[in-house]
Amino acid sequence: QVQLVESGGGVVQPGRSLRLSCAASGFTFKNFAIHWVRQAPGKGLEWVAFISYDGGNQYYADSVKGRFTISRDNSKNSLYLQMNSLRAEDTAVYYCARAPVSDDSLDIWGQGTMVTVSS
Amino acid sequence: AIQLTQSPSSLSASVGDRVTITCRASQGISSALGWYQQKLGKAPKLLIYDVSNLERGVPSRFSGSGSGTDFTLTISSLQPEDFATYYCQHFYRYPLTFGGGTKVQI
Repeated sequence: QVQLVESGGGVVQPGRSLRLSCAASGFTFKNFAIHWVRQAPGKGLEWVAFISYDGGNQYYADSVKGRFTISRDNSKNSLYLQMNSLRAEDTAVYYCARAPVSDDSLDIWGQGTMVTVSS
Repeated sequence: AIQLTQSPSSLSASVGDRVTITCRASQGISSALGWYQQKLGKAPKLLIYDVSNLERGVPSRFSGSGSGTDFTLTISSLQPEDFATYYCQHFYRYPLTFGGGTKVQI
């Protein structure tokens, strides 16, 4: 079935780096844009980043711009989020989510991976 | 960035009630608005896209309306499985934003 599965979360010290992955299956990954969305414990949803179907366009939330990099490998049906200079406020569950061709919603979500930034 | 303000932040309702949640944008966003449902410990689920289009498989008791800056999610007859938190999100331009959420409680 159509599925997104995140991995790579964990506990990391402030200032360090972490790379999240999102593995896609059940659909033609190279045809779809993908987003990262995060949710701090007990808080609401925060959009983080976007990458177009071919990787040619990326957009970021101001809160992560210059520190996070979104990328994809369509040959591996995989999406990545490289997170550098991590801060305590980056602590959250990180979800990858697919945008349909119309790019007007997030129709498929992964189960999320937890990132904890703490010394 | 465009701000989305949801109201109320929480509400209490009973099975069978009609529930309305509003989402106000800080500027016009045309019809680029969607609604999501999130249950505790789960990923969000798309309910409605482009203001009023029901995602496949979503029950018809959910509906959306609005235009410009003011939008509404309505649940016509609340069911036990509808107790959850609801978020609006705009797709007008980047950066995207979500509303603060509305928790629907018994």
